[in-house]
Amino acid sequence: QVQLQESGPGLVKPSGTLSLTCAVSGGSISTTHWWSWVRQPPGKGLEWIGEIHYSGTTNYCPSLKSRVTISVDKSKNQFSLKLTSVTAADTAVYFCARLNDWASPPPSIGTYWYFDLWGRGTLVTVSA
Amino acid sequence: DIQMTQSPSSLSASVGDRVTVTCRASQSINNYLNWYQQKPGKAPKLLIYAASSLQSGVPSRFSGSGSGTDFTLTISSLQPEDFAAYFCQQSYTTPRTFGQGTKVEIK
Repeated sequence: QVQLQESGPGLVKPSGTLSLTCAVSGGSISTTHWWSWVRQPPGKGLEWIGEIHYSGTTNYCPSLKSRVTISVDKSKNQFSLKLTSVTAADTAVYFCARLNDWASPPPSIGTYWYFDLWGRGTLVTVSA
Repeated sequence: DIQMTQSPSSLSASVGDRVTVTCRASQSINNYLNWYQQKPGKAPKLLIYAASSLQSGVPSRFSGSGSGTDFTLTISSLQPEDFAAYFCQQSYTTPRTFGQGTKVEIK
């Protein structure tokens, strides 16, 4: 079955760039799904960072948009996150996740999106 | 952004108890609401999507209800493996926002 695995440095210096990759195994990244990044500061809640479709279309969280880039590499079946100008507030466990969709049957009309598959997460600490 | 507010932030319950967690959206999101369970050191796990649809493989003691701005996650008979944090998340629009979480602890 499809699995996700995050990788990247666990320690980043303040003002530096956080770079993570999510490898997709057991299936192709070139599907109707969207591929997302979600983070969780220690002891706190979940924050959606952004998402990408294999076509390259992206959506970003407005509060992070100026610092975030999410990209996809179809040849390697992976997608990546770059977050620039990091501070201690960016210290968190970073998860990659698959955004799946479900179309409700008639008479209801709607497409529902949900995170149905997650990586294990990787802790990134911002510290000098 | 749509704000998601959960209550309570934490609760203590015993095995066998019926447990209810509430999630309120800052504006109507129809039924574009998902619920996740997260255990310490683990990734979240999808329980419910579209407010009331049970994800495959999730025990039937979990159920969801609601529409518009008010939603509920119910565990009909709490089991030892259910002690965890629960998060709601709206999928009505981006940015995709989560509630702050509800921690279910052992009484």
